[in-house]
Amino acid sequence: GIQVEQSPPDLILQEGANSTLRCNFSDSVNNLQWFHQNPWGQLINLFYIPSGTKQNGRLSATTVATERYSLLYISSSQTTDSGVYFCAVEGGDNYGQNFVFGPGTRLSVLP
Amino acid sequence: DAMVIQNPRYQVTQFGKPVTLSCSQTLNHNVMYWYQQKSSQAPKLLFHYYDKDFNNEADTPDNFQSRRPNTSFCFLDIRSPGLGDAAMYLCATSIDGGQQETQYFGPGTRLLVL
Repeated sequence: GIQVEQSPPDLILQEGANSTLRCNFSDSVNNLQWFHQNPWGQLINLFYIPSGTKQNGRLSATTVATERYSLLYISSSQTTDSGVYFCAVEGGDNYGQNFVFGPGTRLSVLP
Repeated sequence: DAMVIQNPRYQVTQFGKPVTLSCSQTLNHNVMYWYQQKSSQAPKLLFHYYDKDFNNEADTPDNFQSRRPNTSFCFLDIRSPGLGDAAMYLCATSIDGGQQETQYFGPGTRLLVL
């Protein structure tokens, strides 16, 4: 099955700093999403982005499908950005019902 | 607001004692999923329902079963919980399970096995 890697595994930032999170995947994908899991466990969808670039406020994401990676950018980080960021993909031969999650990047934003 | 609801948020059970976790949705989505997330790990898909059609992941233990009596509700039954089944259990939905859909997650039920 498809393999998903994320880097870095852990990231500590000072409030106001910028960061880039990376997701690498081993095969072609039909669906790629970025999620944020807050400290209480709630998973929130950030972006649906199998290719191209999207922006939403301080967050933006870029997926280069031909090179099998996606990047999540966080600008002017805030303490509320803390939590775990997961990249999840669905492989090219699936009909979109089998997300594989990467191991996540744990982000801590310090005041 | 339309949402995915999981009850209870915390569940304590005893080793070997059957337990049921519940999920309901007001989104009227066709597909419902159950994920298991152990501490410091990524969520792992256990199974999903497309309408009434049940789809089990190949490596989901037989100890885990699911029921979907109607569109809105889905249950996760753990027949004989072991200590290794302590985890967060996440329910999610999607509109039609297509390749370009997002999944909407509930807040999760954290299961503790004593």
